[in-house]
Amino acid sequence: AQTVTQSQPEMSVQEAETVTLSCTYDTSENNYYLFWYKQPPSRQMILVIRQEAYKQQNATENRFSVNFQKAAKSFSLKISDSQLGDTAMYFCAFRGTSGSRLTFGEGTQLTVNP
Amino acid sequence: ETGVTQSPTHLIKTRGQQVTLRCSSQSGHNTVSWYQQALGQGPQFIFQYYREEENGRGNFPPRFSGLQFPNYSSELNVNALELDDSALYLCASRIMARDYNEQFFGPGTRLTVL
Repeated sequence: AQTVTQSQPEMSVQEAETVTLSCTYDTSENNYYLFWYKQPPSRQMILVIRQEAYKQQNATENRFSVNFQKAAKSFSLKISDSQLGDTAMYFCAFRGTSGSRLTFGEGTQLTVNP
Repeated sequence: ETGVTQSPTHLIKTRGQQVTLRCSSQSGHNTVSWYQQALGQGPQFIFQYYREEENGRGNFPPRFSGLQFPNYSSELNVNALELDDSALYLCASRIMARDYNEQFFGPGTRLTVL
């Protein structure tokens, strides 16, 4: 069974600064997907960024980028130029290549301060 | 807006009662998954339906059941409600295909069991 661990329950950052959220996972699969989801107080789960395990290049989406270390089973999220709207709960998630089942971590509450 | 809707938004039930939660997927999405998210925790996979058949189940008892209909709607039914069933219930839909397809989440139904 896969497990996902987020060791930072809460983090805060000043507006316009950079913050990194950590995630580790455990799996015996070789091919899989990793995701970061954002859940604001509205509860809507929004996909921030995804990484395919077979791709060595780290994924980037505008201000969001990941550091994917497959051997270490580490998948961190870097948010650059933090904005007030980035305040939310962030979840790291794992999905195998078959089916839709996502395994989520416990989440990191990020607060961006003005 | 993800195109996935859920009803009702909030629901209060009494221990021992039965509840039905509804999800309307995007047109063409042949796969729907349901998740339970307890307060302050990451979502937990309940089960997945593909073409109206259950196609994967998490560690939830049989009193959690579901249905998927040809019109891209689905239901989560919970019998004999327990206090610990109080949670946010999320549905997510996607197109099951060999290649990656994004999973879209609904806004959730907040269930309170008294």
